[in-house]
Amino acid sequence: AQKVTQAQTEISVVEKEDVTLDCVYETRDTTYYLFWYKQPPSGELVFLIRRNSFDEQNEISGRYSWNFQKSTSSFNFTITASQVVDSAVYFCALSGTSGTYKYIFGTGTRLKVLA
Amino acid sequence: DGGITQSPKYLFRKEGQNVTLSCEQNLNHDAMYWYRQDPGQGLRLIYYSQIVNDFQKGDIAEGYSVSREKKESFPLTVTSAQKNPTAFYLCASSMGISNYGYTFGSGTRLTVV
Repeated sequence: AQKVTQAQTEISVVEKEDVTLDCVYETRDTTYYLFWYKQPPSGELVFLIRRNSFDEQNEISGRYSWNFQKSTSSFNFTITASQVVDSAVYFCALSGTSGTYKYIFGTGTRLKVLA
Repeated sequence: DGGITQSPKYLFRKEGQNVTLSCEQNLNHDAMYWYRQDPGQGLRLIYYSQIVNDFQKGDIAEGYSVSREKKESFPLTVTSAQKNPTAFYLCASSMGISNYGYTFGSGTRLTVV
């Protein structure tokens, strides 16, 4: 069975601090995809990144970086020098490739960045 | 600009009424989805559709119905059989199933009064 665990329910940091959001996944598929989404207070989820299971290179996009480690089944998300605008709920998701449909979301981590 | 439009943003339903939530996309995406989000919880899949005139039940389909008569549109009806319909409903679309990122609408907040 597939599963995504985001153990951190809520994190609070002070502006300019670095913060890492954890994501641990379970799947039996050899080919799968991992995603991160941001849900600001407006409600709409915004796609941030997609990573396939064969690409373990870390990715950096501005202040955002992602660390994918198959050995620990983790796909963690780090925000460097956090800003108040980063305050949102962040969801990690996993998509398998076997069967009809396997795309599940974690329960989300609420990040509060305080000025 | 391409995107997904959900309407209305807020909806109030009386007990025993059916209500329909609208979802329209102009991204030319084949797949569309409906999710339900409750406070402090993740997203739970209600229904999804890979192509026109075809749709599949998700994890919590009971009390809901959908149609996919056009590629652009995927309306969700919350029926009176749904015992606890108060929630935030999100529509999404993607190029295909499973391995693509989703584009989401801004959501509809449904409240039973």
